[in-house]
Amino acid sequence: NAGVTQTPKFQVLKTGQSMTLQCAQDMNHEYMSWYRQDPGMGLRLIHYSVGAGITDQGEVPNGYNVSRSTTEDFPLRLLSAAPSQTSVYFCASSYSRTVNGYTFGSGTRLTVV
Amino acid sequence: GDSVTQMEGPVTLSEEAFLTINCTYTATGYPSLFWYVQYPGEGLQLLLKATKADDKGSNKGFEATYRKETTSFHLEKGSVQVSDSAVYFCALNSGGSNYKLTFGKGTLLTVNP
Repeated sequence: NAGVTQTPKFQVLKTGQSMTLQCAQDMNHEYMSWYRQDPGMGLRLIHYSVGAGITDQGEVPNGYNVSRSTTEDFPLRLLSAAPSQTSVYFCASSYSRTVNGYTFGSGTRLTVV
Repeated sequence: GDSVTQMEGPVTLSEEAFLTINCTYTATGYPSLFWYVQYPGEGLQLLLKATKADDKGSNKGFEATYRKETTSFHLEKGSVQVSDSAVYFCALNSGGSNYKLTFGKGTLLTVNP
């Protein structure tokens, strides 16, 4: 049981480049989310999904796109990277967000230069 | 809206000392409360949880009690170890149509031998 798997672990992008952060879970969880973690800011929700084909915006969605074509996968796309998107990104999934909370991946550390 | 306030760090203790990390919250209804731990270079792991008033969550010697009257969920451990050194996050989810985990800003704990 791998849990939540994120790739890559580290990435350096140039301003204006695009990329996709991958997230996969093997627990058959309906709820999946993307957070970013910045010093002094805690974790902030970017986008979330309540099931395949259903996504919605979180607190800080600008500059990011998501899709959920399967229960297992929830990729996060950076359309045109900016230095302000330098952060650590976490994917999380949950069976029942109020009872079990979320299971987090190990994160992707992204630097935009 | 929902919010979580936890004590600012860093907190530095000697091994076998008593630990308290304060957490208070503001939320609509009856939120579920969580403590997550993040070890260096890793993702967040669920440490313990409580889903209703007066519940006590416990794990690995850590405890926290859901106090609705004081809107608090303080984390305690009777005797900390060097291996407990990490960042601790208090979080809540208020359920319903709210799919977001609202986090405190985290408290860095360092335990010295």
